[in-house]
Amino acid sequence: SQTIHQWPATLVQPVGSPLSLECTVEGTSNPNLYWYRQAAGRGLQLLFYSVGIGQISSEVPQNLSASRPQDRQFILSSKKLLLSDSGFYLCAWLGTSGGKTYNEQFFGPGTRLTVL
Amino acid sequence: EDKVVQSPLSLVVHEGDTVTLNCSYEVTNFRSLLWYKQEKKAPTFLFMLTSSGIEKKSGRLSSILDKKELFSILNITATQTGDSAIYLCAYSSGSARQLTFGSGTQLTVLP
Repeated sequence: SQTIHQWPATLVQPVGSPLSLECTVEGTSNPNLYWYRQAAGRGLQLLFYSVGIGQISSEVPQNLSASRPQDRQFILSSKKLLLSDSGFYLCAWLGTSGGKTYNEQFFGPGTRLTVL
Repeated sequence: EDKVVQSPLSLVVHEGDTVTLNCSYEVTNFRSLLWYKQEKKAPTFLFMLTSSGIEKKSGRLSSILDKKELFSILNITATQTGDSAIYLCAYSSGSARQLTFGSGTQLTVLP
């Protein structure tokens, strides 16, 4: 079966510090991977998605970047955090697992980021 | 502009009540309409709808899509306190099946 991991679970960072959030997926190969951010009391906003190694598409201009160095690894980064980067960051995957193709996205446990 | 609008934004009911959550959308490259339930952390998948008029059902939850009116509803019958959560509606579009979410409906079920 497929599982998706994110770490860290919570993070408190000062303004201007760098950021690296990691997401890994097990039990699937060549999945689509996605990064979303959820502000308090709001819906999810798509930040980046990737359909393969090294392929990154950005949905909104911002202070963040993403990379996919391996098939099942997706990294969200920032060189200098802003207050507005605070939120709940969710990674998701879509694809094939155990011979079954899934057209719905499955989400990881998320990272709650607070920028002070 | 593509978008998703959910209503109501919040709803408080008592156990045993039936609720209907609404989702309207505007999109130019529609693939499917999805419903998720979010409690403390990650959203969990409920339904994916691609065809109009075909009801999807899982226990006390059911959902239906109207592609002509660009509308979907999620029904929960005989609500329980465990149904308290944010219910998120999203449409899938594009070659990568990206999701665009609404703001969600916060459902609170009182004992």
